[in-house]
Amino acid sequence: NAGVTQTPKFQVLKTGQSMTLQCAQDMNHEYMSWYRQDPGMGLRLIHYSVGAGITDQGEVPNGYNVSRSTTEDFPLRLLSAAPSQTSVYFCASIQGEAFFGQGTRLTVV
Amino acid sequence: TQLLEQSPQFLSIQEGENLTVYCNSSSVFSSLQWYRQEPGEGPVLLVTVVTGGEVKKLKRLTFQFGDARKDSSLHITAAQPGDTGLYLCAVHDYKLSFGAGTTVTVRA
Repeated sequence: NAGVTQTPKFQVLKTGQSMTLQCAQDMNHEYMSWYRQDPGMGLRLIHYSVGAGITDQGEVPNGYNVSRSTTEDFPLRLLSAAPSQTSVYFCASIQGEAFFGQGTRLTVV
Repeated sequence: TQLLEQSPQFLSIQEGENLTVYCNSSSVFSSLQWYRQEPGEGPVLLVTVVTGGEVKKLKRLTFQFGDARKDSSLHITAAQPGDTGLYLCAVHDYKLSFGAGTTVTVRA
């Protein structure tokens, strides 16, 4: 049982490049979220989805887009990467408790 | 202003000592969760507390939910190096929000 699969694990981007972080879950959960984690700031919510076709903004949505075409997949798109987006990103699938992926360590140079 | 304030931010203790970390808010919650995160991994749920005044024990970890359901504490008895990690509290209204966390280091 894979749980939450997040790819890639590491990524280096140049300023202005775009990319998509992939997240897939096999637990049939309706609720999924994307967080970024920076030192001393815990997990900050970027976007979340309560089901296929429904997404909403969290506390730090600027510079990121999401879509939810299926229950299983919830990709996060960086439109034009900036150094301020250097962070560790976590996808979570939530039903009662949150199940997290392994994280993506993103560096924007 | 964060919804959940955790203190202290860092805690370093010797193996065998006790420690307490706190999670406070001005809001009332129907439930509160504690997670532990180890380096390079995502957080993992430790416990959910739902009733004001509730105390839950998980081996050497004791979790308490305040009577007014605005705060919670995590107490570790006789800490071991394996308890080292980032401890996060979280609440779920219509979205799951986390505190900034307490980094606990237990020295052997």
